Formats: sequence, structure tokens, C-alpha cells
Amino acid sequence: AQSVTQLGSHVSVSEGALVLLRCNYSSSVPPYLFWYVQYPNQGLQLLLKYTTGATLVKGINGFEAEFKKSETSFHLTKPSAHMSDAAEYFCAVSDRGNYQLIWGAGTKLIIKP
Amino acid sequence: ETGVTQTPRHLVMGMTNKKSLKCEQHLGHNAMYWYKQSAKKPLELMFVYSLEERVENNSVPSRFSPECPNSSHLFLHLHTLQPEDSALYLCASSQDRQRNVLTFGAGSRLTVL
Repeated sequence: AQSVTQLGSHVSVSEGALVLLRCNYSSSVPPYLFWYVQYPNQGLQLLLKYTTGATLVKGINGFEAEFKKSETSFHLTKPSAHMSDAAEYFCAVSDRGNYQLIWGAGTKLIIKP
Repeated sequence: ETGVTQTPRHLVMGMTNKKSLKCEQHLGHNAMYWYKQSAKKPLELMFVYSLEERVENNSVPSRFSPECPNSSHLFLHLHTLQPEDSALYLCASSQDRQRNVLTFGAGSRLTVL
């Protein structure tokens, strides 16, 4: 069965530093890939998604993610962290024939001033 | 009002109480979902409704009973809950043919005493 692994339940970076949140999936067939973000006291919202085409995907708020088939990864990055980026980030995948989302456990991003 | 609205935002109930969670969406979506979010665990899909018909029920205990009277409203009826049912319950909606792009509500924080 498909699974999603997010390395690190908490990631702490300084304001202005690079943000890197890791996500690996288990499928041998490239799935659809997603990052969702949950700000404090809010529901999740879609940050970006990969379906086909260009492997570098840009999302909202300056985030981007790169699909690497050889590494079965879809890591999320942002060049310069902002205090407003403090949130929990969820990686999710869905198979191409079945749209049900399989979720990672989430990574809480902490921004140090 | 736009988006997905959940009420109440917070609920405390005893194990013998009966209560309901309400979800409303004004996005014209035709699929609605209940998820359970517990700390440090992936989101757990509980129920899926498509065009007001339940299409998925992921082995959820019968003390949780969903109801979808129309495509804009979704309820989760709660009865004889256990303390381990304490969690954030998230409602989401989507277009039926794009079930991996979800719009979430802010959630209902449930505490069972």
C-alpha cells in the first residue's frame, strides 16, 4: 500500500534562512503529489501540487517543491523563511487511478527570530 | 459566507452525551469529507459523500454517524463517545472528479471527558 514519510515532526529555522521539509513516498509508479499547510487554528489549505509536466512546482507564499522520481521524493523548499511561515505542513499523495489522498504525519515548521 | 464553515469550533462532551458537528460549504462542490486529526498522526479519512451519497466509510465506529442532507451540508452525529475520540474533526469539500484537491474548514475541537 502507498505510504508517505515526512522526515522530522518539527523543523526549526531562523528567519531569513532556507526552509527544507522532506517528503518521500513509497509507490513505484509516480503518483500525484501535494503539499498542504495548516496555520494555527485553521484548516488545511493547498500549497502546491504536482500532476504531470515540469518537475519543479511553484506554490503560494514563495514555496516550491521538486518531484524526483529516482529518489521517490517531493521535498518542499523556500529560500528565505518568514515568521508568517510558522505552520504545520502536510505532504500527501494519490494514485493516478484513485484520487484518495494518503497523508504524511506532518512537519511543524518553527521560525526563530 | 464563502469557503467551508464548521460549527461548533470547540465542543466538550461527556461519554453519555449526544451532540452533532455541522459543516457547510458554499463553493459549489459536490463531494464532502470528514477527517479526524490527532497529534503526530496522519489525517484519518472517516467518511466521503459524493452527490449526497456515502461512498466511503473507513471502518469508523458506529458511535460516529454522518448525515449529508444536500450537497452543501454535512453533519457528524456523536453518541456515546470515548476519551480517545478527542481530536480535531475536519470537514472538507471538493469537486467529485478532483478528490485530491480539498478545501478544508477550520475544524471542530472535540474533547470527551
